Amino acid sequence: DTEVTQTPKHLVMGMTNKKSLKCEQHMGHRAMYWYKQKAKKPPELMFVYSYEKLSINESVPSRFSPECPNSSLLNLHLHALQPEDSALYLCASSPTGGYSNQPQHFGDGTRLSIL
Amino acid sequence: QKEVEQNSGPLSVPEGAIASLNCTYSDRGSQSFFWYRQYSGKSPELIMSIYSNGDKEDGRFTAQLNKASQYVSLLIRDSQPSDSATYLCAVPGGATNKLIFGTGTLLAVQP
Repeated sequence: DTEVTQTPKHLVMGMTNKKSLKCEQHMGHRAMYWYKQKAKKPPELMFVYSYEKLSINESVPSRFSPECPNSSLLNLHLHALQPEDSALYLCASSPTGGYSNQPQHFGDGTRLSIL
Repeated sequence: QKEVEQNSGPLSVPEGAIASLNCTYSDRGSQSFFWYRQYSGKSPELIMSIYSNGDKEDGRFTAQLNKASQYVSLLIRDSQPSDSATYLCAVPGGATNKLIFGTGTLLAVQP
């Protein structure tokens, strides 16, 4: 069991659907992250929230919209996705934002398939 | 652009042997280094963190850091088939705590 919880574990959606991925951590961490991972590739950073403020957007298409309602929750809203967006979406957290030597802890991920 | 490099493998070792995984990094100012294990279809799991030169041991795992040569390695003693996974080396990328990942090394432990 991980201390970063992601829901749902699997999601299949059409290109016109709107859905959301959810992430929750109760470790008191102040930085949260969204990654996208394709098969046989390392995780690719999408967004970073530090102290509930968006600090990094790695030039992610606007069909992905992040939201951080509070320090424990992170959402990723999905709309009009493309088949190439099918991937494993990972949420991670770390104790502090900004410059840090601390590792990130990953949730189990959401396996997303776009039809 | 900070870089982390790993041999993609696969690295095949017999059960009971020592597996040696290597990682080099480009930023001489890097202060911390992480090894993650990722089973196929699963998420990365942190298995070792190392911050200072030398060795750090945790059970069957030993991380070795050499800042002068800019490499970090992971040794797995008494390798088991359950150790078969991709091992990702990661280094924080500075002001934003962005993790820079290597491409990962696929380890296969043969029974």
